[in-house]
Amino acid sequence: LAKTTQPISMDSYEGQEVNITCSHNNIATNDYITWYQQFPSQGPRFIIQGYKTKVTNEVASLFIPADRKSSTLSLPRVSLSDTAVYYCLVGDREAAGNKLTFGGGTRVLVKP
Amino acid sequence: DAMVIQNPRYQVTQFGKPVTLSCSQTLNHNVMYWYQQKSSQAPKLLFHYYDKDFNNEADTPDNFQSRRPNTSFCFLDIRSPGLGDAAMYLCATSRGSGGTAETQYFGPGTRLLVL
Repeated sequence: LAKTTQPISMDSYEGQEVNITCSHNNIATNDYITWYQQFPSQGPRFIIQGYKTKVTNEVASLFIPADRKSSTLSLPRVSLSDTAVYYCLVGDREAAGNKLTFGGGTRVLVKP
Repeated sequence: DAMVIQNPRYQVTQFGKPVTLSCSQTLNHNVMYWYQQKSSQAPKLLFHYYDKDFNNEADTPDNFQSRRPNTSFCFLDIRSPGLGDAAMYLCATSRGSGGTAETQYFGPGTRLLVL
């Protein structure tokens, strides 16, 4: 069963840019890549989704290289409230029905 | 506001005593999911309903069952909770348009404690 791989944790400081890379070697042709944010004792919240190249919204950017085997979530000018766990979500072509698989999550700590 | 609602937010049960967790949605989405999330781990999909069609994950224990009486409601039944079933249980929905990695909308979760 293919898995996504993310760094376990990252530390940053307020005002810096945070980049989190997710590896997904077995991504299927029709799959999209989705990132979620989760605060303690809350359900995950959708941040951004993309298929290829670059996607930007009001909170983040998502960079996807041509081979689509990885993606990078970029959080510009983070604040203390961006401290959370960030999950990369892609479809899994090796599982029946293209089951969605959460990556292990990256715990981001933003320091003052 | 349209949303996914889970009740209760905290549930305490006794070892072996059946417990039911509830989820409702006002999004009118076709798909409803149940995830189990243990401390410091990623959410793990237990099963999902596409409309009335039930889809169980291969490694979901038989102790876990689900019911979806209508579009808005979905229940997670744990027949005989063990200490290892203590976790956060997350309900999510998606539109069900057929694409993978469809955006999922999560409820706040129910934290289950087994004594």
